[in-house]
Formats: sequence, structure tokens, C-alpha cells
Amino acid sequence: AQKVTQAQTEISVVEKEDVTLDCVYETRDTTYYLFWYKQPPSGELVFLIRRNSFDEQNEISGRYSWNFQKSTSSFNFTITASQVVDSAVYFCALSEAPGSGGSNYKLTFGKGTLLTVNP
Amino acid sequence: GAVVSQHPSRVICKSGTSVKIECRSLDFQATTMFWYRQFPKQSLMLMATSNEGSKATYEQGVEKDKFLINHASLTLSTLTVTSAHPEDSSFYICSARLVGATGTQYFGPGTRLLVL
Repeated sequence: AQKVTQAQTEISVVEKEDVTLDCVYETRDTTYYLFWYKQPPSGELVFLIRRNSFDEQNEISGRYSWNFQKSTSSFNFTITASQVVDSAVYFCALSEAPGSGGSNYKLTFGKGTLLTVNP
Repeated sequence: GAVVSQHPSRVICKSGTSVKIECRSLDFQATTMFWYRQFPKQSLMLMATSNEGSKATYEQGVEKDKFLINHASLTLSTLTVTSAHPEDSSFYICSARLVGATGTQYFGPGTRLLVL
């Protein structure tokens, strides 16, 4: 069974601080995808990134960066120079991938981390 | 691209009535759509997976006669909450899977249902 653990329930930082959101996953699949989604107070989930299990390269997109470490089954997310607009709940998710027998690519979500960035 | 809409965004209804929620993929075709339920300060709970032209697959514990799902076209899936009761009040979110190897799901803005 797949499982995603986001141990940090809530994080509070002051604007311009860097913050890292942790995500640890469990899966028996050899091929899978990892995702991060942002859910602002409005409620809509915003797709941030998808990472293939075969691609361990770290990725940077503006102030966002992701560190995928297969050896520790972690996919951490760092926001550099945080801003008030970054305040949201962030979800890490795991999906089976083609070739794993999964026909519908269901997502397994972590419980989310509420990030509050104070001015 | 990959925009998903939901309608209505908010609905208040009396106990015993049925409520229909629409989920549309606006700029892509989605053979698979998903319906989630989210309680306050909790994660998303998958209710069912909807494939175009076939019956939905419900997760364990979700009543299929209570939550009717229809995926009539490649861009539209509907969730009908039948004979709604106050305990059905929740935030319902749909997503559509982008066809292809990635399987990324794009989410709608959600529907807040309040049953009085």
C-alpha cells in the first residue's frame, strides 16, 4: 500500500525566511510519480510539480525548489525568501505510474502542511 | 492550459433534497475524473474514480447510491448527492487526469455544500 507522510502539521515563518516542507513516502512500485500541490484559503488545489521516480534531479522554479532523494524516500519542498502569498496548505502526493498495473493513477495524499508566512 | 471548472462553487440546500455538482475540463479531454471530499483542516479523501462511458469505481465506505456519478463525455463528470443530510456537508473537489504518461491530475476549485 502507498503512504505519504507529512510530519509537519503547521509551520509559521516570518516573511523572507526560507522554509522546507518535508514529505516521506512509501510504495512497493518501482515506477511512480510524486507531486506537490498548494491549497490556498480559496480551496482550489494548484499543481506545483510532478517528479518521475526515475528522475532524481533536483528542480528549481523561481523561489521554489524540490529535493528528491530516493534513498530516503523523501521529496522535500523548499520555499526561498517566503512571502505572505505563500501562506497555504501544501500537499505532497504519490501516484502509481504506467507499467505498475495502475489503470487510473489514483493519488495518495499526505495530510498536508499548513504554512503561515507572517509579514 | 489544463483548467478544470466546477459548478456550483457553493450550495446550500435543505435536508432531503438532491444536489448535482458539475466538473468540466475546459481545455483538454479527460478520460478519467476523480471526486474527492475534504473536511475542514483535513486531507483529501478520494470518493470515486470516474471513467468516461463506464461506471464509476467507488472507494471503500462510499455509498454509490448516495453519491451518483456520471461521466457522460470526455469533458464532463457530475456528482449527485442524493437525499442530502447535514453530515454530507463538506467541500467536494473534482480533478481530471491529463491523458498521457504523466497522469497529472488537475483540480477544480471545489464546491462547498451546506445541508441544513
